[in-house]
Amino acid sequence: SYELTQPLSVSVALGQTARITCGGTNLGIKNVHWYQQRPGQAPVLVIYRDSSRPSGIPERFSGFNSGDTATLTISGAQAGDEADYYCQVWDSGSAVFGGGTKLTVL
Amino acid sequence: EVHLVESGGDLVQPGGSLRLSCAASGFTFSSYAMSWVRQAPGKGLEWVSAISGRGESIYYADSVKGRFTISRDSSKNTLYLQMRTLSPADTAIYYCAKQWSAVVVPAAMSSWGRGTLVTVSS
Repeated sequence: SYELTQPLSVSVALGQTARITCGGTNLGIKNVHWYQQRPGQAPVLVIYRDSSRPSGIPERFSGFNSGDTATLTISGAQAGDEADYYCQVWDSGSAVFGGGTKLTVL
Repeated sequence: EVHLVESGGDLVQPGGSLRLSCAASGFTFSSYAMSWVRQAPGKGLEWVSAISGRGESIYYADSVKGRFTISRDSSKNTLYLQMRTLSPADTAIYYCAKQWSAVVVPAAMSSWGRGTLVTVSS
């Protein structure tokens, strides 16, 4: 079965740029979606189809997908961005989530 | 505004059954695929099942295939998950999610409910 690999944790200084990676075989040919989950809350879609932002998501959130790696970039990280982030794709009729990355804003 | 409200979570004994519901509002229910996603305590997200807008396409994770049944009732704007032969490994918060389009693959899950807790324990 298809697997997505994310780092367990990423730290970023307040106002700096955070990059969260998601790895998978030939990931670049798939549509990658990203979700933010703050503690005790439901997930929220922040990026869909590699790089598109849903309405209401700040421009600080961007995405890129090529080769075997997709990257979620958060520019000018804020305290409110501290959360778990999950990448997700569809493979052979099943949705696959990465293990999640805990973003800490220092 | 999209609104999804899950219900039906409970404490159930191993081997038991449970039916979850997800009441949807704020959008044309039959025009969008829907998914169930679960999250065990302290763990990551695990997709469970999905159904297309009109119900003609249904998908299951291997971990629940043969035990869980997803369905939808457009007259009630409600999504269901019938769960049977439950085990402690099924203990989780179950979220329903609206997908971006009527087809399941490869749409993102654009809106999520707050979830309902299922606990399987004796």
